[in-house]
Amino acid sequence: NAGVMQNPRHLVRRRGQEARLRCSPMKGHSHVYWYRQLPEEGLKFMVYLQKENIIDESGMPKERFSAEFPKEGPSILRIQQVVRGDSAAYFCASSLDSLSYEQYFGPGTRLTVT
Amino acid sequence: AQRVTQPEKLLSVFKGAPVELKCNYSYSGSPELFWYVQYSRQRLQLLLRHISRESIKGFTADLNKGETSFHLKKPFAQEEDSAMYYCALGTGGFKTIFGAGTRLFVKA
Repeated sequence: NAGVMQNPRHLVRRRGQEARLRCSPMKGHSHVYWYRQLPEEGLKFMVYLQKENIIDESGMPKERFSAEFPKEGPSILRIQQVVRGDSAAYFCASSLDSLSYEQYFGPGTRLTVT
Repeated sequence: AQRVTQPEKLLSVFKGAPVELKCNYSYSGSPELFWYVQYSRQRLQLLLRHISRESIKGFTADLNKGETSFHLKKPFAQEEDSAMYYCALGTGGFKTIFGAGTRLFVKA
């Protein structure tokens, strides 16, 4: 079991471009969480998804950000028209069920907006 | 407001010395507290949770509701304990709030 996979590990985008971050959960896990870590800050919850459903997106900015977790394939965090303030590390975690402390983390994607 | 505070960004101790990483939380409900650790070039992983009252790699943490604290302690630090440590608050269900983290550096 390779664990939670995220790609790309590093992503550079110019202002105004789109960023797509992918997360493949651990085998058998159907719950996915996305977190953002800004420089010098802790991890901040963004969104919680189950297969084909967004359960809680209360931590996600209302504009430009969206997330999905289709029936087949990885979860995608999409940021449209990126701005410099979007530069951060984005972590994905997965769990077998909805108990928060059973989350397994991926290595993260570091997004740099130039 | 739900918040986790780790006042120290960096903690440096000598090998064999006691170590305490501080964590304070703010939450009006019944909290679930955890410590996560990230070793160099490795993923964030759960170290321990207050509900299980366990000791992992010599680390313990006691939930003090009166002081709203969940400090992580180890009596004798080892070089391999050098890592980034995050205190986290579970607010019921899936939402976990993380502190900013403390980098522990254990000197030989």
